[in-house]
Amino acid sequence: AQSVTQLGSHVSVSEGALVLLRCNYSSSVPPYLFWYVQYPNQGLQLLLKYTSAATLVKGINGFEAEFKKSETSFHLTKPSAHMSDAAEYFCAVSGAGGTSYGKLTFGQGTILTVHP
Amino acid sequence: EADIYQTPRYLVIGTGKKITLECSQTMGHDKMYWYQQDPGMELHLIHYSYGVNSTEKGDLSSESTVSRIRTEHFPLTLESARPSHTSQYLCASSDMGQAFYGYTFGSGTRLTVV
Repeated sequence: AQSVTQLGSHVSVSEGALVLLRCNYSSSVPPYLFWYVQYPNQGLQLLLKYTSAATLVKGINGFEAEFKKSETSFHLTKPSAHMSDAAEYFCAVSGAGGTSYGKLTFGQGTILTVHP
Repeated sequence: EADIYQTPRYLVIGTGKKITLECSQTMGHDKMYWYQQDPGMELHLIHYSYGVNSTEKGDLSSESTVSRIRTEHFPLTLESARPSHTSQYLCASSDMGQAFYGYTFGSGTRLTVV
């Protein structure tokens, strides 16, 4: 079985500050990991994904995430927040094999607020 | 352009009415999913399908039903809408080829039952 925990349901930063959204996972098999972003009244859009290649993954809009197996973490970062980054962010995990392959389990979501 | 489409985007309807939320994808994906999401809240899987004539209930119990008669089409139906059904409904699809690249989501249908 696999699960995802996003630490902090709400994160608030100032424009230009570092964005750090935390995600920890548990998985019985090596995982695939994803971050999605959801703007108000929209569906989810893929930001980036880790599928067992490079541990530092770069995504769209200047976001990146690092897979740390020893910490079972996949935190999302952006060096400088922009007002347009305000949205809800979801971390998700899939097993890379077995019965959990191709089945996403989502975290609870983190709402990011960016202040001027 | 390959994509996944949901209609309508917004729907306000009276209690007791029958409604169908449409979801279509042009990517030829075998797997399709319906999620229910309240504003600012987590996603709850309510139905999924791994192919034509295959449908399963998800983790969250729902009074809705789904069908999968064609690969590209996965509609969700509520026989008698109630205010408790007010929510956002998200449709998604995925491919199960040699690599898994995650789900592609539609823009959602925001349903309000009055």
